[in-house]
Amino acid sequence: DAKTTQPPSMDCAEGRAANLPCNHSTISGNEYVYWYRQIHSQGPQYIIHGLKNNETNEMASLIITEDRKSSTLILPHATLRDTAVYYCIVSVNTNAGKSTFGDGTTLTVKP
Amino acid sequence: GAVVSQHPSRVICKSGTSVKIECRSLDFQATTMFWYRQFPKQSLMLMATSNEGSKATYEQGVEKDKFLINHASLTLSTLTVTSAHPEDSSFYICSAVREYSNQPQHFGDGTRLSIL
Repeated sequence: DAKTTQPPSMDCAEGRAANLPCNHSTISGNEYVYWYRQIHSQGPQYIIHGLKNNETNEMASLIITEDRKSSTLILPHATLRDTAVYYCIVSVNTNAGKSTFGDGTTLTVKP
Repeated sequence: GAVVSQHPSRVICKSGTSVKIECRSLDFQATTMFWYRQFPKQSLMLMATSNEGSKATYEQGVEKDKFLINHASLTLSTLTVTSAHPEDSSFYICSAVREYSNQPQHFGDGTRLSIL
């Protein structure tokens, strides 16, 4: 699986959009980008994933660059409950292959 | 609602005890489940990949005789920490993936293991 690089921490004002970047310059053509988050003392929660097209669901949007070497997770209207560690992972197929978690980005949403 | 149930959520026991943790996929069949370990202020560390009906694949440095994994059905995998010692105290998390798909991992809520 390709390695990812994320900033260690970010702050965001409540109600504003939170944009979390992820670099995955060694991603292969058949690797997906997955985003998870972990709130303190809980198991990670799946947010969104994509291959090359931008994706949106009820939680967030995922923007993947055309060369697929980086992506951005967007939380459109951050709330205090979005404070968590966000992990970006690339994997061929989470069923067949293992997923390596990096250190993630600690997002702190402030009132 | 939760699609993966992990039990127990917290265990406190004496050194030398063996502890079993269960991971169940509630509404889908999971041919593959993963077991992770997490120390305070650190990321998740993959311990092993559990495949239904076959032996688990352990990551380098993880003792297979210490951490016994059984994946007897498409909805249940168990992790047994044998003869646990204080250094085994950690947060253990399982995940399950829907059968034959590129769908994401669904995680349990984790088990906080404390060995006295």
